[in-house]
Amino acid sequence: EAQVTQNPRYLITVTGKKLTVTCSQNMNHEYMSWYRQDPGLGLRQIYYSMNVEVTDKGDVPEGYKVSRKEKRNFPLILESPSPNQTSLYFCASSTAGGGPPDTQYFGPGTRLTVL
Amino acid sequence: AQSVTQLGSHVSVSEGALVLLRCNYSSSVPPYLFWYVQYPNQGLQLLLKYTSAATLVKGINGFEAEFKKSETSFHLTKPSAHMSDAAEYFCAVSPASGGYQKVTFGTGTKLQVIP
Repeated sequence: EAQVTQNPRYLITVTGKKLTVTCSQNMNHEYMSWYRQDPGLGLRQIYYSMNVEVTDKGDVPEGYKVSRKEKRNFPLILESPSPNQTSLYFCASSTAGGGPPDTQYFGPGTRLTVL
Repeated sequence: AQSVTQLGSHVSVSEGALVLLRCNYSSSVPPYLFWYVQYPNQGLQLLLKYTSAATLVKGINGFEAEFKKSETSFHLTKPSAHMSDAAEYFCAVSPASGGYQKVTFGTGTKLQVIP
């Protein structure tokens, strides 16, 4: 089954404790992206990757890191989480082939609470 | 730079009535445009997309949208609302050229369907 998986689905942590949210897709997609969803703000893109070892900032990259060492995986790293990073996070992937991203397939989301 | 404006964070319609959700965009290059739907506690899934082919686009579940360049709009419509259409809807834009891969979402419109 074609899918995007994220782990964990729920996470409660404390300020400053490093964490990683994993994302994996089995569709051989070139393009992967991380979004955060906050009430009234919609989805805002954090980082995206056009292919292995190629990443770029989205609209809200501050406080986040990513890596793309393998085509299927795109982990989101919070080195020192703060309460303003409490949010619902989505990973997505799509074909791109060097061009614009097409239909994005979304993971189920990770609800993060930073105390 | 690109942006998306969705007019109306909440829209209520009666079952069987016309659904109209508004999306206006700005983009410095020809855009790809998408409508995604999010059901409660789920990720987003594609409803329909415009990628510079036909300006009237048909999607799943009876939805359609028309790309109007002169009005920079991509409004979503459905002739007759069903209870199962209650969800949050997001319009998104990405540039179709220029090697610029960022995707921008609108703030979303929650659709309520009244029996």
